[in-house]
Amino acid sequence: KQEVTQIPAALSVPEGENLVLNCSFTDSAIYNLQWFRQDPGKGLTSLLLIQSSQREQTSGRLNASLDKSSGRSTLYIAASQPGDSATYLCAVRPFDQGAQKLVFGQGTRLTINP
Amino acid sequence: ETGVTQSPTHLIKTRGQQVTLRCSSQSGHNTVSWYQQALGQGPQFIFQYYREEENGRGNFPPRFSGLQFPNYSSELNVNALELDDSALYLCASSLEIGSPLHFGNGTRLTVT
Repeated sequence: KQEVTQIPAALSVPEGENLVLNCSFTDSAIYNLQWFRQDPGKGLTSLLLIQSSQREQTSGRLNASLDKSSGRSTLYIAASQPGDSATYLCAVRPFDQGAQKLVFGQGTRLTINP
Repeated sequence: ETGVTQSPTHLIKTRGQQVTLRCSSQSGHNTVSWYQQALGQGPQFIFQYYREEENGRGNFPPRFSGLQFPNYSSELNVNALELDDSALYLCASSLEIGSPLHFGNGTRLTVT
């Protein structure tokens, strides 16, 4: 059974710092891995999707890497801003599921202090 | 292009009652999935519909059921509500199976 773990559960840093969020998964048989952002009481906004054949994806100040063999992904946020404060979730799509089931981690709650 | 919209935004029900949640998929998307997110947890997959047929289900009892309509809008029905059903219910659509999911803002269900 695929399990996804995110560390740390919460993180608070001053504005301007570069930071890394970690995600690990137990089964490397995945189609892809996706990072989402969730603001309080809201839905999920997709940030980056990495296919299993890819090593990383970049969008603006965000960079996500994927090491499928070790079951790890990182989300790097450069020059953090207070507007980056949110919960960040990673999710994998297991290879053995016919449906587009995503397995989520519990998220990292990020606070950027001005 | 409109995004995924869900209604209602909030709902309070009593244990034992039944509830219907609604989702309007993003234009052109023929696949819809439903997720349950308890407070402080990641979302859990309930089921997925593709062209009006259920084609995948998570570890949820049969009292959780769904429908997808020809216009690709969708419903989630929950019978015999329990206190543990209190959660944020998220709908997500995609252009096709394998494409990125686009989530709605969810329906916050409280069961008392």
